[in-house]
Amino acid sequence: GAVVSQHPSWVICKSGTSVKIECRSLDFQATTMFWYRQFPKQSLMLMATSNEGSKATYEQGVEKDKFLINHASLTLSTLTVTSAHPEDSSFYICSVTEGLAGVGRTDTQYFGPGTRLTVL
Amino acid sequence: AQSVTQPDIHITVSEGASLELRCNYSYGATPYLFWYVQSPGQGLQLLLKYFSGDTLVQGIKGFEAEFKRSQSSFNLRKPSVHWSDAAEYFCAVVNQAGTALIFGKGTTLSVSS
Repeated sequence: GAVVSQHPSWVICKSGTSVKIECRSLDFQATTMFWYRQFPKQSLMLMATSNEGSKATYEQGVEKDKFLINHASLTLSTLTVTSAHPEDSSFYICSVTEGLAGVGRTDTQYFGPGTRLTVL
Repeated sequence: AQSVTQPDIHITVSEGASLELRCNYSYGATPYLFWYVQSPGQGLQLLLKYFSGDTLVQGIKGFEAEFKRSQSSFNLRKPSVHWSDAAEYFCAVVNQAGTALIFGKGTTLSVSS
């Protein structure tokens, strides 16, 4: 399967600052990338889906101006949490797939190790 | 709305004993089902998946799962658990639009010696 990395693995920031999280597909071209959020002992909740070179599609209830996603290349997607607040503290996970979202029901998603964000 | 239910939040199994993790889904058509495992510091790793065909699916690390349409279930099994299997296990189904995975809340597996 694909190897996906995330950087940083954990970050602590002050309230009001912005934080950027990187997701890299190391060994294949990821046409589609997904960003999830996971609360302790909770399921993964999809935040947004992005195709390379296109604007991200955000799930209902996710503020696109707060969670900026840039899928600039087939190997890199970034999630920027703008003006972070303590309630944004969470575990953020990205995943990649070779298929185009909406086309490949059977495409396997490969997940990064996650980034723990703590906002003070 | 589609959903995935993992009824057991936490399970403890003795090393060498058999394991079954339950997963129930709600979905009108043929579901596309996955089991993932999450270990601390590791990304979710795909254990196995079911799309069609044989309802008994073999995965990695000695895991298997059986799709039962009549029970809307996709339970994960392993005949003999190893201490290294202690982790969080997630069942997931592709949504109706085919654009995203819907995850269950996960089951934490502890292995006792």
